[in-house]
Amino acid sequence: EVQLVESGGGLVQPGGSLRLSCVASGFTFSDHWMTWVRQAPEKGLEWVANINQDGSEKYYVDSVKGRFTISRDSAKNSLYLQMDSLRAEDTAIYYCARGYCSGGGCSRSPEHWGQGTLLTVSS
Amino acid sequence: SYELTQPPSVSVSPGQTARITCSGDALPKKYAYWYQQKSGQAPVLVIYEDSKRPSGIPERFSGSSSGTMATLTISGAQVEDEADYYCYSADSSGNQMVFGGGTKLTVL
Repeated sequence: EVQLVESGGGLVQPGGSLRLSCVASGFTFSDHWMTWVRQAPEKGLEWVANINQDGSEKYYVDSVKGRFTISRDSAKNSLYLQMDSLRAEDTAIYYCARGYCSGGGCSRSPEHWGQGTLLTVSS
Repeated sequence: SYELTQPPSVSVSPGQTARITCSGDALPKKYAYWYQQKSGQAPVLVIYEDSKRPSGIPERFSGSSSGTMATLTISGAQVEDEADYYCYSADSSGNQMVFGGGTKLTVL
């Protein structure tokens, strides 16, 4: 069974930093694209960043470029999101998601999702 | 930045067909994906690559795409299908991903 468990959320002051983690199990972690998606309170889903299987490709939404860094550690089956210079508008539930693989190859689009971790940026 | 546009809400009676649209300039060349999110839960993939259904998703869920519009169709909508639905796709570069604003489906 595919499992994705996020951790690391909490309350941070504006301008602060935090690192989110996502531990994966039930599949070969190194075979899949991984993605972070966030959802602000009472708002829609927002794609934040994704990373390919070996970490050589990383993409970010414009609003977090230069502040957030996505990374992965296949030895630990873990995905990370380092968040610096945090702002109030970064307050959201952050979901870790795994891309799917089909006969045509492996896609960056999410298939399986974790339950999310809440980040609150406030003084 | 690239945008996908969805109607904010759709309402149908049980057993009727619900259609949710998603428009975007890159959809003629990029796949659309659809996610269902029930209150307080993580999203679930219901349609991938425009029209494919993951295992475990009921057959009443189907997808199509033509030109700049993708459509999620729920044939014979059930009360348990009430949820927010989001389309998802890439911009023309393929590297910037985006969700539509979401559509709240009411079945009553």
